[in-house]
Amino acid sequence: QKEVEQDPGPLSVPEGAIVSLNCTYSNSAFQYFMWYRQYSRKGPELLMYTYSSGNKEDGRFTAQVDKSSKYISLFIRDSQPSDSATYLCAMPLGDRDDKIIFGKGTRLHILP
Amino acid sequence: DTEVTQTPKHLVMGMTNKKSLKCEQHMGHRAMYWYKQKAKKPPELMFVYSYEKLSINESVPSRFSPECPNSSLLNLHLHALQPEDSALYLCASSKQRGDNEQFFGPGTRLTVL
Repeated sequence: QKEVEQDPGPLSVPEGAIVSLNCTYSNSAFQYFMWYRQYSRKGPELLMYTYSSGNKEDGRFTAQVDKSSKYISLFIRDSQPSDSATYLCAMPLGDRDDKIIFGKGTRLHILP
Repeated sequence: DTEVTQTPKHLVMGMTNKKSLKCEQHMGHRAMYWYKQKAKKPPELMFVYSYEKLSINESVPSRFSPECPNSSLLNLHLHALQPEDSALYLCASSKQRGDNEQFFGPGTRLTVL
């Protein structure tokens, strides 16, 4: 079983819809959870960074963590064509280990 | 300045060439990273520098040689690469080693012929 599982998609939704992106993980040692957005042929951009279970909101984006289920989600409200990108969940191994375990990424297409 | 810059954006090289990738950040970060990313795959960590010293080498072949001349610059020297080394090479930085928030550059797309 891989440490981080993420559906690669592609996921196509109409403009204005609410998008739900998800990852599951197996390592209960993960304490921090991140979401990166990566446009085609660009580097990843850190979108959200959370530590505890619960929700964290930033504009149209909400990150949700459920440590008991080892499940994290990223919700995008009022989706725009400019949100079309690959979204990677990421979890650092922690304890001064710089290794970040990335999900495979979900390709998202917002249809105008 | 809150970004990581990388040059060149694109690079095509033959298997006998020697080339270098450059990365620069002026955020005062003391940890810098090289990642390799193949198409439709997540980034894979290659090297970590902390305070200009190499602290992690993820079993990367010696044809990749990193260098950190100062706290703002990170180079990746390439020699005798193979076609399977073609990928997007990403540089990232963070305030300190172990700081989970890493900021990525746009990458250099490398093609080895």
